[in-house]
Amino acid sequence: AQTVTQSQPEMSVQEAETVTLSCTYDTSESDYYLFWYKQPPSRQMILVIRQEAYKQQNATENRFSVNFQKAAKSFSLKISDSQLGDAAMYFCAYRSESGANNLFFGTGTRLTVIP
Amino acid sequence: NAGVMQNPRHLVRRRGQEARLRCSPMKGHSHVYWYRQLPEEGLKFMVYLQKENIIDESGMPKERFSAEFPKEGPSILRIQQVVRGDSAAYFCASSLSGGNTIYFGEGSWLTVV
Repeated sequence: AQTVTQSQPEMSVQEAETVTLSCTYDTSESDYYLFWYKQPPSRQMILVIRQEAYKQQNATENRFSVNFQKAAKSFSLKISDSQLGDAAMYFCAYRSESGANNLFFGTGTRLTVIP
Repeated sequence: NAGVMQNPRHLVRRRGQEARLRCSPMKGHSHVYWYRQLPEEGLKFMVYLQKENIIDESGMPKERFSAEFPKEGPSILRIQQVVRGDSAAYFCASSLSGGNTIYFGEGSWLTVV
């Protein structure tokens, strides 16, 4: 079974600074998707960014970008110019390209933004 | 374009009662997923459904839990004879097809007293 590991239970960043959240995963598959979801205090799960494993180019969404290292099975999230609204739990998730359609989640990283 | 709609947002049940959670997927989406989040944990997959079919229920507890997604109407997650350990957030999600991005609802919080 696929496993997703987030080794940083908590992180903090100064407002306007940059922070990187780590994620590693274990799989024997070659085709899959990776996601970062944000869960603010409202508890809603919000999609931040998505990466297809067959794409070498790292995905970017405004201030959010990923560093996808397929050989190392690493998928980190970089948040630039951090804002107070970025404070949330961040979950890394894996989804197979074939077979099971469900997402496998990591245990999350709680990000605090310091004014 | 409404997102994934879940209700109720909050539900309180006494031990032994039944809980029913409803989910309407995003417009045009025919794939529905249910996830459970225990306090201070990540989301865990429960079940994946398409209209009138359960595709994968490998994450569902063997007893007391059931799910359906009828031809008409919302998907229902049903928990019979609830126990304190069922207290959790239950998230519904939907996708356009099996390979597309999954979008989540705002969750339903079940408290068993």
